[in-house]
Amino acid sequence: SSELAQDPAVSVALGQTVRITCQGDSLRNYYTSWFQQKPGRAPVLVIYGSNNRPSGIPDRFSGSSSGDTASLTITGAQAEDEADYYCNSRDSSGNRLGNVFGTGTKVTVL
Amino acid sequence: QVQLVQSGAEVKKPGASVKVSCKASGYTFTDYYIHWVRQAPGQGLQWMAWINPNSDGTNYAQKFQGRVTMTRDTSISTAYMELSRLRSDDTAVYHCVREYYDVLTGYYMFDYWGQGTLVTVSS
Repeated sequence: SSELAQDPAVSVALGQTVRITCQGDSLRNYYTSWFQQKPGRAPVLVIYGSNNRPSGIPDRFSGSSSGDTASLTITGAQAEDEADYYCNSRDSSGNRLGNVFGTGTKVTVL
Repeated sequence: QVQLVQSGAEVKKPGASVKVSCKASGYTFTDYYIHWVRQAPGQGLQWMAWINPNSDGTNYAQKFQGRVTMTRDTSISTAYMELSRLRSDDTAVYHCVREYYDVLTGYYMFDYWGQGTLVTVSS
């Protein structure tokens, strides 16, 4: 199966900007989604279709994608943005179209 | 409102099987795929499989093929995930997730998640 690689951890000062990247071959052909997960909670979708925000997600969250790399940017990070973030895309490495998650990035807001 | 409600926590011995249910409400069950995603303690998210509730078609991640079975009962809008030959490293929270797919844009999203079911495998 495909793999999506993320940096394990990043930190950002309150109010500053942080970018999280996700790299993998499947990103060349399929849209990327991003999920935020806080301890003990189910993941929450923050970006779909590589650069679209679901309703209710603050506009400080944005996404982009180029080639085999997708990015999630938090512009003006808030304390409540401290969480784990996972990228996700389709995976065509098997007989049928599947799915794959990134390894996850822990974001700390200082 | 859309809800996915899963069955309760399970404790199983190594070698046993577990079957987790996911009851959907608030939408037409057969219109959306259901995926299963698990998360071991302190670890990341791992995609396991999907089922098409309309056709009963399934697709399993290679890692789980031969051990996992997805089924559904459309009469009660419920999907099931059964994992056999359990090992200690199967200890995890298992989530069912609805996939929304927009045929016009090609966008897809995991928009609703079940609350998760903790499966503990221990002798």
